[in-house]
Amino acid sequence: QQQVKQSPQSLIVQKGGISIINCAYENTAFDYFPWYQQFPGKGPALLIAIRPDVSEKKEGRFTISFNKSAKQFSLHIMDSQPGDSATYFCAASMWSSNTGKLIFGQGTTLQVKP
Amino acid sequence: NAGVTQTPKFQVLKTGQSMTLQCAQDMNHNSMYWYRQDPGMGLRLIYYSASEGTTDKGEVPNGYNVSRLNKREFSLRLESAAPSQTSVYFCASSGQGHRGYTFGSGTRLTVV
Repeated sequence: QQQVKQSPQSLIVQKGGISIINCAYENTAFDYFPWYQQFPGKGPALLIAIRPDVSEKKEGRFTISFNKSAKQFSLHIMDSQPGDSATYFCAASMWSSNTGKLIFGQGTTLQVKP
Repeated sequence: NAGVTQTPKFQVLKTGQSMTLQCAQDMNHNSMYWYRQDPGMGLRLIYYSASEGTTDKGEVPNGYNVSRLNKREFSLRLESAAPSQTSVYFCASSGQGHRGYTFGSGTRLTVV
């Protein structure tokens, strides 16, 4: 049972374009939604995260949009750059949990063409 | 500032062999985790340890065992490796809840 579904599996964007990756979750108890960025041969690294008390969070060129009623959240990368080429994972968890277990989506491989 | 250190980085095993993947963190984190990453499957939690002395199963624990040796170290053992365990394994650690969630650089394991 996949609790967090991510799409698309792969994405090709031209430099300067907008990259959009979508995720949907099932468990309404989830209240912490991070995005991770992974470069080849490296471990995932936290990019940006949101909690459901806000509908949007922006950090530089990266924005999370959150829709609680639809149980969906998305990552927008504005002015995409070749250096953004990486695999992106959404995840979900319960903030109040003392274990920090994360449930990950399937991942999206982003290629930004110069 | 090493963060989370995993050894080895690469390993090839024959079916039925055993091995232990090592993980150590130097951030004084309470919680540690083992994930496996497979194409199209994302990262799936194998086992986790919320604190020293405790371990619990994650989504895909079958075929694995873990040991939380002390606060710093959390090892993953494959008793009898199978080709289905070919994967990239990541160790991670975090402070209380999700604070400072940090991944290691991974171990690429091939079982032939």
